[in-house]
Amino acid sequence: DSGVTQTPKHLITATGQRVTLRCSPRSGDLSVYWYQQSLDQGLQFLIQYYNGEERAKGNILERFSAQQFPDLHSELNLSSLELGDSALYFCASSVGQSTGNTIYFGEGSWLTVV
Amino acid sequence: GENVEQHPSTLSVQEGDSAVIKCTYSDSASNYFPWYKQELGKGPQLIIDIRSNVGEKKDQRIAVTLNKTAKHFSLHITETQPEDSAVYFCAASRPDKLIFGTGTRLQVFP
Repeated sequence: DSGVTQTPKHLITATGQRVTLRCSPRSGDLSVYWYQQSLDQGLQFLIQYYNGEERAKGNILERFSAQQFPDLHSELNLSSLELGDSALYFCASSVGQSTGNTIYFGEGSWLTVV
Repeated sequence: GENVEQHPSTLSVQEGDSAVIKCTYSDSASNYFPWYKQELGKGPQLIIDIRSNVGEKKDQRIAVTLNKTAKHFSLHITETQPEDSAVYFCAASRPDKLIFGTGTRLQVFP
């Protein structure tokens, strides 16, 4: 158990809908990362927050947004969902903001868009 | 570029044999190289990492080597066991993010 908690574990929704994925980082970690894992694209970095502020942005679509709250939990919002958004979405956390810090992953949220 | 190339994509070995997975990165500024193991239905789990100021690191049956000049790093698993079967990802740090390789599916046959 990495200490990173993600909900929901599984989610099925229709195209055009909006969903919110939730993440609680490990106790003491200030950075939260979101990754997308699909069969043909491996682990793709979406976005990082550090202590409530956006720190780095990857290949995150404009239809997607995230935020980190004062209690350090984070939410990833996915809107206008398309079939291609079906993937495993991972949250990860680390103590610091640098990419040299060890990153711990949660178990993921499996999103299926039908 | 920001690619991390990982080979092979699949690897099958007999229990007790060694397994080697190789990665190549492109950003000379990369200085942190973790390896993750992902079992079916689970999130990636860090198994070992190495920083650019060392060339090799060992942890029981697992070792990682780094050649900064050639921008290569490798994962070595000795005396493989069936429970080593999983997908392994290498990664290389950039100032703004960690770049992951495409993964190696390791199968260890009893």
